[in-house]
Amino acid sequence: DAMVIQNPRYQVTQFGKPVTLSCSQTLNHNVMYWYQQKSSQAPKLLFHYYDKDFNNEADTPDNFQSRRPNTSFCFLDIRSPGLGDAAMYLCATSSRLITEAFFGQGTRLTVV
Amino acid sequence: GQQVMQIPQYQHVQEGEDFTTYCNSSTTLSNIQWYKQRPGGHPVFLIQLVKSGEVKKQKRLTFQFGEAKKNSSLHITATQTTDVGTYFCAGPGANNLFFGTGTRLTVIP
Repeated sequence: DAMVIQNPRYQVTQFGKPVTLSCSQTLNHNVMYWYQQKSSQAPKLLFHYYDKDFNNEADTPDNFQSRRPNTSFCFLDIRSPGLGDAAMYLCATSSRLITEAFFGQGTRLTVV
Repeated sequence: GQQVMQIPQYQHVQEGEDFTTYCNSSTTLSNIQWYKQRPGGHPVFLIQLVKSGEVKKQKRLTFQFGEAKKNSSLHITATQTTDVGTYFCAGPGANNLFFGTGTRLTVIP
């Protein structure tokens, strides 16, 4: 059974048109992460939630926002996608900070 | 800032040969984790090492954490085509998880 589910698997959006990616989990984990992964690169942490506490990485552009309305769901909002934002976006959860992370299958974002 | 580097970046091996990837951190780590990402897939957790000098085995995979807790290695004995993918180490930052640069393994049948 899938434990971290990301929707959609593939998303095509227009340059500058806001887009939202979603992530849900059945693990009841406190921590939810959003990573951006470009081709042949390592996952790059954008931000994470510990419960309701939001933690933004210093180099995450303001164009990226996140919401976590409850324990199970987390959303990644890209306000004005640029061509450089085309990537795989990975959601991950863990029970505590810095412990084993469980990843969803990712959403591949294309910007046209 | 914290940096976690891996070498080599790419490795091509004949099926049956051994493979090793090395992970080096600029800072001392409380633990080190290893993940495998198949082509087109997502990272999957393999193991976590916590103690200085710790060695753990999973079938043909051997993981080691350095004495100074700043480096780690993953060794695969007698590679198989199912071992293909990118292997990442990941080290904890102050309150998050940083991934190493990864080693992409290709196994030639």
